[in-house]
Amino acid sequence: GAGVSQTPSNKVTEKGKYVELRCDPISGHTALYWYRQSLGQGPEFLIYFQGTGAADDSGLPNDRFFAVRPEGSVSTLKIQRTERGDSAVYLCASSEGQASYEQYFGPGTRLTVT
Amino acid sequence: TQLLEQSPQFLSIQEGENLTVYCNSSSVFSSLQWYRQEPGEGPVLLVTVVTGGEVKKLKRLTFQFGDARKDSSLHITAAQPGDTGLYLCAGGRAGGTSYGKLTFGQGTILTVHP
Repeated sequence: GAGVSQTPSNKVTEKGKYVELRCDPISGHTALYWYRQSLGQGPEFLIYFQGTGAADDSGLPNDRFFAVRPEGSVSTLKIQRTERGDSAVYLCASSEGQASYEQYFGPGTRLTVT
Repeated sequence: TQLLEQSPQFLSIQEGENLTVYCNSSSVFSSLQWYRQEPGEGPVLLVTVVTGGEVKKLKRLTFQFGDARKDSSLHITAAQPGDTGLYLCAGGRAGGTSYGKLTFGQGTILTVHP
């Protein structure tokens, strides 16, 4: 079956602009995760959804970052007033449910803030 | 803050050599995953270990979870150029709001020369 998909694959935006990053999880997976990966580093947790609700958003760096998953499937990560320090690869992952440790990642969205 | 320390950070070897990558923490994890990531792609899950002392083999790769569930190792026998990539360990915790959050090490960049 299809894996996790993310769009766009690349996004270049100017400092101060608003961006939306989309994630389509594996069909049937109830848990969805967002991570951020800077160059030369491992992914860093941002937020985790179980169904439609955010079960843990402790990794969001500040209130410029927000994520939604209104129907329990597709998720959108929203970043307001982007800063150059937001430049990174944003990864989305999904898993079968809360009890599953195994997360399956999408290819990521490379965000560049100029 | 739970930290996972990976070593070495860089590894450059010749085809046919053996190697071991280490992942260490002062914290206990309920599970430990190993991922492999290639440039421009998301991490791909290789294995999950959940029991202290557990050893899993995947062809030429051997994964071990420490008895105290604080450390893990990845051993590759007779490395091949196709093994080249970024290897990441990630720890998961059960219970509470930490359930979905994976903590990643900083990664080991492996280059296998023909």
